[in-house]
Amino acid sequence: IAGITQAPTSQILAAGRRMTLRCTQDMRHNAMYWYRQDLGLGLRLIHYSNTAGTTGKGEVPDGYSVSRANTDDFPLTLASAVPSQTSVYFCASSAGAASGANVLTFGAGSRLTVL
Amino acid sequence: AQKVTQAQTEISVVEKEDVTLDCVYETRDTTYYLFWYKQPPSGELVFLIRRNSFDEQNEISGRYSWNFQKSTSSFNFTITASQVVDSAVYFCALISGANAGGTSYGKLTFGQGTILTVHP
Repeated sequence: IAGITQAPTSQILAAGRRMTLRCTQDMRHNAMYWYRQDLGLGLRLIHYSNTAGTTGKGEVPDGYSVSRANTDDFPLTLASAVPSQTSVYFCASSAGAASGANVLTFGAGSRLTVL
Repeated sequence: AQKVTQAQTEISVVEKEDVTLDCVYETRDTTYYLFWYKQPPSGELVFLIRRNSFDEQNEISGRYSWNFQKSTSSFNFTITASQVVDSAVYFCALISGANAGGTSYGKLTFGQGTILTVHP
């Protein structure tokens, strides 16, 4: 089934550790995104990539980095995790064509707990 | 700047009741899109509907209907004859201006979400 695969599903991490959340899509979508979901705040954009080789900062980029080496993969890295990064992280993608370009397809999410 | 407000944090209804989820948005742009997403207990977000700022026609899809009113900057969602399977978190979202038609397709601003619980 076409879609987005995120890994890990859930992770508990000690503060100060480095962590990479993986995201792979098989829809050949040009654009990919990372959002974090926190209770009472909805989803907030961390980083995005309009096409392979380019990335941009979203609303809450501090403490996170991304790379887009190819169309399918868009990993999110926490260089030194802090407790405030405890959240559910969603990877999403959207097609590059004008029609439906801004309709997002989401992965199942990665629940991260930083202690 | 753009903003989406879902004032109802939680709603609880009994099965077969109708329920309306409110969404109020703010944007200075004339071109924008509004969305509703559903997040069932499984956690994955499911796209429900997209409307653009030039189309104020209301839409009905089965038990779901959406009322878009630019005069009040609202995009409300009504579920008729609710069912237990409708229990979920519902998010309203907005993309506007350069983001709406430009290359940053999916830079959505989400509301806080409304938790809907439908009791049998």
